[in-house]
Amino acid sequence: EVQLEESGGGLVQPGGSLRLSCSASGFTFNTYDMHWVRQAPGRGLEHVSGVSNNGGSTYYADSVKGRFTISRDNSKNTLYLQMSSLRVEDTAVYYCVRTYCSSTSCTFDNWGQGTLVTVPS
Amino acid sequence: QSALTQPPSASGSHGQSVTISCTGTSSDVGGYKYVSWYQQHPGKAPKLMIYEVSKRPSGVPDRFSGSKSGNTASLTVSGLQAEDEADYYCSSYAGSNKLNYVFGTGTKVTVL
Repeated sequence: EVQLEESGGGLVQPGGSLRLSCSASGFTFNTYDMHWVRQAPGRGLEHVSGVSNNGGSTYYADSVKGRFTISRDNSKNTLYLQMSSLRVEDTAVYYCVRTYCSSTSCTFDNWGQGTLVTVPS
Repeated sequence: QSALTQPPSASGSHGQSVTISCTGTSSDVGGYKYVSWYQQHPGKAPKLMIYEVSKRPSGVPDRFSGSKSGNTASLTVSGLQAEDEADYYCSSYAGSNKLNYVFGTGTKVTVL
């Protein structure tokens, strides 16, 4: 069974930093691209960042570019999101998400339960 | 890039059907087969319901179906059940970077 377990969320002051982790199990971690998706309270889903299976390629949404860094340690089956210069608008539940790709398309097929990051005003 | 456009709400009676639209551009929805749909109940993580426009993962009831025409994708839920009441989000690959995806604005489905 695929399991994704996020940790590291919490309350952080504006301008502060936080590192999220996602521990993966039940699949061969180093063969899947991975992503972080967030959801602000009462709002929709926002794709924040992605990393290729070997860590060689990354993507960042404009809203976090230059402030967040995605990485992975395939030896530990763990995905990370280093967040710095945090803003009130970064307050959200952050989900760790696996990408499944067939020969013709890709999709976010497994989601963690999420970890809440709160940046108070 | 901009979020894909979905209607804020949709509703249907128990046993009836409801269709949700997801409108993008030729750079995302219209350009690729990478359209997916997710169901989210309050306080829960999203769940994959449709991928590659119209394919259902194992375990998803065949009441859920997807389609696409041009820059607009659609999700149809037939034979509405109480447990179908949830938020639904579409997503699409958005090009330029193989890791670039965009979500829809979300639709709240109510079963009357």
